Amino acid sequence: AQKVTQAQTEISVVEKEDVTLDCVYETRDTTYYLFWYKQPPSGELVFLIRRNSFDEQNEISGRYSWNFQKSTSSFNFTITASQVVDSAVYFCALSEAGSARQLTFGSGTQLTVLP
Amino acid sequence: DADVTQTPRNRITKTGKRIMLECSQTKGHDRMYWYRQDPGLGLRLIYYSFDVKDINKGEISDGYSVSRQAQAKFSLSLESAIPNQTALYFCATSDSGQGATEAFFGQGTRLTVV
Repeated sequence: AQKVTQAQTEISVVEKEDVTLDCVYETRDTTYYLFWYKQPPSGELVFLIRRNSFDEQNEISGRYSWNFQKSTSSFNFTITASQVVDSAVYFCALSEAGSARQLTFGSGTQLTVLP
Repeated sequence: DADVTQTPRNRITKTGKRIMLECSQTKGHDRMYWYRQDPGLGLRLIYYSFDVKDINKGEISDGYSVSRQAQAKFSLSLESAIPNQTALYFCATSDSGQGATEAFFGQGTRLTVV
């Protein structure tokens, strides 16, 4: 069975600090997909990134970067120079290729960026 | 207009009442899902549908039923609502094509059962 663990329930940083959100996953499939979603206070889910299990290259998008390491089953998300607008709940999720493509979500990390 | 639309956005209902949450999409995706979000638990899958004739139970289907009226419409029903069904409900769609595209989510329905 697939499982996603986000051990950090809440993180609080001061604006301009860097912050890393951890995500550890479990799966028996060799082909799978990992995702990060952002949920701002307004409640909608905003897609941030998708990574497949064959692509371990790290990715950078502006102030966001992701570090995928199959050896440790981790897919961590770093925000550089955080801003108040980054305050949100962030979810890591896993989808196995052989499944119905449903997502298994972690419990989320509440990030608060203080001015 | 949003690609995935949920109605209503907010609803307060009484224990024992039947309630339906509706979802429609313009993505043209064949797969649709209903998730429930509770604080500290992330999102959990209630039901999913591959197409109009294919409905499947998810992790927490007890107390819920669904109907896929058309490829674009997927409704979630609570036959007899109870307070612990108070939650934020999300509908999502995805494409069955090769590779897992991201799921597209509706804006959520906040349901309160009193």
